[in-house]
Amino acid sequence: GAVVSQHPSWVICKSGTSVKIECRSLDFQATTMFWYRQFPKQSLMLMATSNEGSKATYEQGVEKDKFLINHASLTLSTLTVTSAHPEDSSFYICSAPWGDTQYFGPGTRLTVL
Amino acid sequence: GESVGLHLPTLSVQEGDNSIINCAYSNSASDYFIWYKQESGKGPQFIIDIRSNMDKRQGQRVTVLLNKTVKHLSLQIAATQPGDSAVYFCAENELTGGTSYGKLTFGQGTILTVHP
Repeated sequence: GAVVSQHPSWVICKSGTSVKIECRSLDFQATTMFWYRQFPKQSLMLMATSNEGSKATYEQGVEKDKFLINHASLTLSTLTVTSAHPEDSSFYICSAPWGDTQYFGPGTRLTVL
Repeated sequence: GESVGLHLPTLSVQEGDNSIINCAYSNSASDYFIWYKQESGKGPQFIIDIRSNMDKRQGQRVTVLLNKTVKHLSLQIAATQPGDSAVYFCAENELTGGTSYGKLTFGQGTILTVHP
């Protein structure tokens, strides 16, 4: 159990476009999911907490209007990077709790040209 | 808070040796700790966890030690194999903290390279 998937695994887009990343818990339900960003050779940085049925909670310094989060169901959270710019290029990873442990998705590599 | 580093510590070992990866955590109220393994281009993979009421926990080939006095966590890997090569992160959480449930704080990570 406790498998988390992400789609797409990688995406390349032009500057100014929006990109949607999906995070799914495959064999369990998650009322809360978490979105992280990771730059090369760095640790994971929590961006926001996705809450099913309510607004996401963003960490300090993360623009909520740029990184739109929607927790559509108990197994799906989406992160939309709006008006993407090259500096948004990064590895985006979601996680979902199962018991006390966080299980992570495989990540989505976003490259903005 | 979050941990950011531009140059991750590295550890190189020979196949078959034991590896010890260390981590210092910052929040004295943290009561749950997890070690993750992250291979290149993949998400973190759960290895082992430990609660603050324990000081040692063993898994298959791995042991986690917790020293709350000095806020130090270590991961020991026995008979390290080339497939163990990855970046290892410790993470802390305050399970009893209410609003911080599930919000992991990651350490900077250590790059483990195992030479055949």
